[in-house]
Amino acid sequence: DAKTTQPNSMESNEEEPVHLPCNHSTISGTDYIHWYRQLPSQGPEYVIHGLTSNVNNRMASLAIAEDRKSSTLILHRATLRDAAVYYCILSGANYGGSQGNLIFGKGTKLSVKP
Amino acid sequence: KAGVTQTPRYLIKTRGQQVTLSCSPISGHRSVSWYQQTPGQGLQFLFEYFSETQRNKGNFPGRFSGRQFSNSRSEMNVSTLELGDSALYLCASSYRDSGTDTQYFGPGTRLTVL
Repeated sequence: DAKTTQPNSMESNEEEPVHLPCNHSTISGTDYIHWYRQLPSQGPEYVIHGLTSNVNNRMASLAIAEDRKSSTLILHRATLRDAAVYYCILSGANYGGSQGNLIFGKGTKLSVKP
Repeated sequence: KAGVTQTPRYLIKTRGQQVTLSCSPISGHRSVSWYQQTPGQGLQFLFEYFSETQRNKGNFPGRFSGRQFSNSRSEMNVSTLELGDSALYLCASSYRDSGTDTQYFGPGTRLTVL
């Protein structure tokens, strides 16, 4: 099972910020929170990940709740190219002995209106 | 660096045939994972190979198999194809070192079984 809960779909207007929520109430202390997105007709691509602190990169920001039971992916200015399915995934650390696979849920389909 | 490449991109087979799909990981990546994506089941993990050894396997029948070569390139094979095997098959590579790990996906091979 995916262990995360996301809304099925969201809409945004171009050049406005988008906040994509994710609930992960069963997260363990060593689980990282990863976000991937899949554009139409492409394979998934990495967006961002974090453990406890908020994270920023050139694509997005990740805000993690203090209790780590939820997180929010923030796209600061949505573009048409950001229309995709966004997946929030929990992934364990210490890959030397753990599973090297991602468990994808249904994700959130983001539509961006011009 | 070149990304993950998959060949062929599209494939049409008939029931009962077998098929081999190929994946070339990003240079330096030692782990290759395979996923199946269908409209009904979403993205599902098939198996992971690391240094020519299968490290992890998803819940798929034995008709699905794979292998990894010494140069980290990987192949997956599906024997006795069924209509339900029609899907997008995605390959992802990663360093597979300690700590969290980002997976980089290829564009996928679209398999149609008639």
